[in-house]
Amino acid sequence: GAVVSQHPSRVICKSGTSVKIECRSLDFQATTMFWYRQFPKQSLMLMATSNEGSKATYEQGVEKDKFLINHASLTLSTLTVTSAHPEDSSFYICSARGGQKLQETQYFGPGTRLLVL
Amino acid sequence: KQEVTQIPAALSVPEGENLVLNCSFTDSAIYNLQWFRQDPGKGLTSLLLIQSSQREQTSGRLNASLDKSSGRSTLYIAASQPGDSATYLCVVRNYGQNFVFGPGTRLSVLP
Repeated sequence: GAVVSQHPSRVICKSGTSVKIECRSLDFQATTMFWYRQFPKQSLMLMATSNEGSKATYEQGVEKDKFLINHASLTLSTLTVTSAHPEDSSFYICSARGGQKLQETQYFGPGTRLLVL
Repeated sequence: KQEVTQIPAALSVPEGENLVLNCSFTDSAIYNLQWFRQDPGKGLTSLLLIQSSQREQTSGRLNASLDKSSGRSTLYIAASQPGDSATYLCVVRNYGQNFVFGPGTRLSVLP
């Protein structure tokens, strides 16, 4: 089956620093990748959709200048949390979708837990 | 190892019907359970979140129940509409913070 990995699985950083999270599709080419986050006791919420080679589409309320998404290749998307603050502490999870059909299944990564001190 | 199943895999109903989607999980020690809808080519849209201490949640025409002891959750959709056509995913989150996704139920509501 299709596998999606994320790195790192956990990260602790100081307030004001930037953190990069990688999402890789290991055995398929992901034309589209999605980024989600989940705050404690809240639902997993979609942050943005990225298509390889084009700019990401952000959901309402998500700051595109704060959460930089790069999908430069068909197997890698990165999410950079710039100038992180404690309120950015959350669980970030990516998913990847391959193929040309819109109905293609999404495969989810294991997630990255970010703690900003 | 947590496993999540959903029944039925696909469902087609005429507009206006009330319907129930089922989700089963093997390990009752869950942190929470969420229901999402997935439209073709789009990211997941959160519908309802049920914490492990809760038994049900309601939002508009949607009602989700949780019975941890039996390892089941149901999503009830009242007065279905063509706009409800999508794939509905049940997602279990364990105390180890990992998510386990069900395979989904593909719903078609016919006008």
